Amino acid sequence: DQQVKQNSPSLSVQEGRISILNCDYTNSMFDYFLWYKKYPAEGPTFLISISSIKDKNEDGRFTVFLNKSAKHLSLHIVPSQPGDSAVYFCAAKGNNDMRFGAGTRLTVKP
Amino acid sequence: NAGVTQTPKFQVLKTGQSMTLQCAQDMNHEYMSWYRQDPGMGLRLIHYSVGAGITDQGEVPNGYNVSRSTTEDFPLRLLSAAPSQTSVYFCASSRGRGSSPLHFGNGTRLTVT
Repeated sequence: DQQVKQNSPSLSVQEGRISILNCDYTNSMFDYFLWYKKYPAEGPTFLISISSIKDKNEDGRFTVFLNKSAKHLSLHIVPSQPGDSAVYFCAAKGNNDMRFGAGTRLTVKP
Repeated sequence: NAGVTQTPKFQVLKTGQSMTLQCAQDMNHEYMSWYRQDPGMGLRLIHYSVGAGITDQGEVPNGYNVSRSTTEDFPLRLLSAAPSQTSVYFCASSRGRGSSPLHFGNGTRLTVT
């Protein structure tokens, strides 16, 4: 069963505009949520996280929002830059493991 | 800073062959894990370890074995490779507590023919 879902396989935005990546989860026992970024031929790298007791966390151009009642989180990138083009994975941390979504490929056009 | 090192980067196996994917980390992390990445499936957890001598199964453990004799190393063994195990494999480590993020290696691309 896929406990973390990213329903948009791809997203294309213009440079300077906002990118919004979405993620849904089913397990209410997850206590942390994270976003990772992945470039081709490299491993994923950590971007930003949020605790289940918060609803927003901001780090520079990146903001993660958590809606626990809807079991939904989103990553906002403002402004988007061509270097942000990558695959973004949403992840949720439970007892001793971390579950990932299928990823969303973001393309930022100059 | 080496971080998480995976070897080999690429491997081709015939069905039924065995091999070990190596993973080593130099950050003194307690927690280590193996994931496989397949198109449309994201990263799926194979096995994980919360410390030396302790391992447990993830979402897709069948066909894989692991051991953790030291804090630094967490090898993944395929005893009898199958075409369904063609994938990109990532090893990751973390401090394991709270929101500690995973640090990933650069992956091993395995093809089983």
